[in-house]
Amino acid sequence: DQQVKQNSPSLSVQEGRISILNCDYTNSMFDYFLWYKKYPAEGPTFLISISSIKDKNEDGRFTVFLNKSAKHLSLHIVPSQPGDSAVYFCAAGPRQGAQKLVFGQGTRLTINP
Amino acid sequence: GAVVSQHPSWVICKSGTSVKIECRSLDFQATTMFWYRQFPKKSLMLMATSNEGSKATYEQGVEKDKFLINHASLTLSTLTVTSAHPEDSSFYICSASANRAEQYFGPGTRLTVT
Repeated sequence: DQQVKQNSPSLSVQEGRISILNCDYTNSMFDYFLWYKKYPAEGPTFLISISSIKDKNEDGRFTVFLNKSAKHLSLHIVPSQPGDSAVYFCAAGPRQGAQKLVFGQGTRLTINP
Repeated sequence: GAVVSQHPSWVICKSGTSVKIECRSLDFQATTMFWYRQFPKKSLMLMATSNEGSKATYEQGVEKDKFLINHASLTLSTLTVTSAHPEDSSFYICSASANRAEQYFGPGTRLTVT
């Protein structure tokens, strides 16, 4: 049972435009959500997170939106840059404490010059 | 800050041998470390969670006698793949956390069993 789903395996965006990556989850016990960026043959790099008490968190070019009623979150990257080309994973877990995270399948983002 | 290293970055071994992978938190004390496995074009699958000084907790379907985990200190955890077989070939990634939900990942280890 896939508790965290990223239904788009790939996304292609023009440089300078907005990239929107989507993620859905099924477990209502999840209270903390994260986005990771991963290059081939490297470990994931933490990008941005959001707690369930918020609906938006912004950090530079990256903004994460959370819609709890729809159990949906999205990552917006604007403007998109060629260096943003990577695989993006969303993950969900508890608010506090070092607990295991459940990852989505990932979305490969390609930024075209 | 929050740097996690893994060693080796890649390893090739013969079927039947054992391989040890090290995971170190370089600039913080990791109370918890996690071991993941990633198949090509797939998500990261959690294998086990280890807390310093205690036995690891394995996810369902992961053989604890095959994947031995030791979390000997607050900066080091090791994963030993015993009697490796070709189907164990994969990308193994560790992460470390200091009692916060943010996990910091190592660069991964590519294991190829011939």
